[in-house]
Amino acid sequence: GAVVSQHPSRVICKSGTSVKIECRSLDFQATTMFWYRQFPKQSLMLMATSNEGSKATYEQGVEKDKFLINHASLTLSTLTVTSAHPEDSSFYICSASRDRSYGYTFGSGTRLTVV
Amino acid sequence: RKEVEQDPGPFNVPEGATVAFNCTYSNSASQSFFWYRQDCRKEPKLLMSVYSSGNEDGRFTAQLNRASQYISLLIRDSKLSDSATYLCVVGLNNFNKFYFGSGTKLNVKP
Repeated sequence: GAVVSQHPSRVICKSGTSVKIECRSLDFQATTMFWYRQFPKQSLMLMATSNEGSKATYEQGVEKDKFLINHASLTLSTLTVTSAHPEDSSFYICSASRDRSYGYTFGSGTRLTVV
Repeated sequence: RKEVEQDPGPFNVPEGATVAFNCTYSNSASQSFFWYRQDCRKEPKLLMSVYSSGNEDGRFTAQLNRASQYISLLIRDSKLSDSATYLCVVGLNNFNKFYFGSGTKLNVKP
């Protein structure tokens, strides 16, 4: 199979603090992982493409200094939401692909609530 | 214009019905197409890839129409468990970037 693990599944943090979300490919190596955000009743929106060993590519309108992405190994990408604010509260999901035939596998998602 | 557009629904159908969803995409260079299923507050899960020749998996049939730039998903003999949101996903640049439709909500009722 192609398993992607995401942690934590749920986090509540105070405004102004930082939160780190981990995305791991458990049984395959992923040179590229993707980070998405989903607000209630809206579609998944691609935030950034995480590239192993190099800088992430951010979508237009996504602040790279606020959403720090690190892809230090072929099985781990992290997303850090820095100085979180209530408007950052959302469902964050990562995805990676083993190969074409598997499509993309998603982590279980992280529900972030900033209070 | 959005990269991928879907009718949000909801489609309310009785058990056993046949239901079809369409999804249009704007970039003719799109190369990869998928249907994902997302249950409430859960991550999306791959339902099926969509190939140029069309493909079928049990009660589910997916088709691609490149000329009109849309993909479709047909569900036969709907089950209660088919109730979910179905996301259309279109990939560009040889599998390098993906765009999601906003999803079509399906409610299958007894």
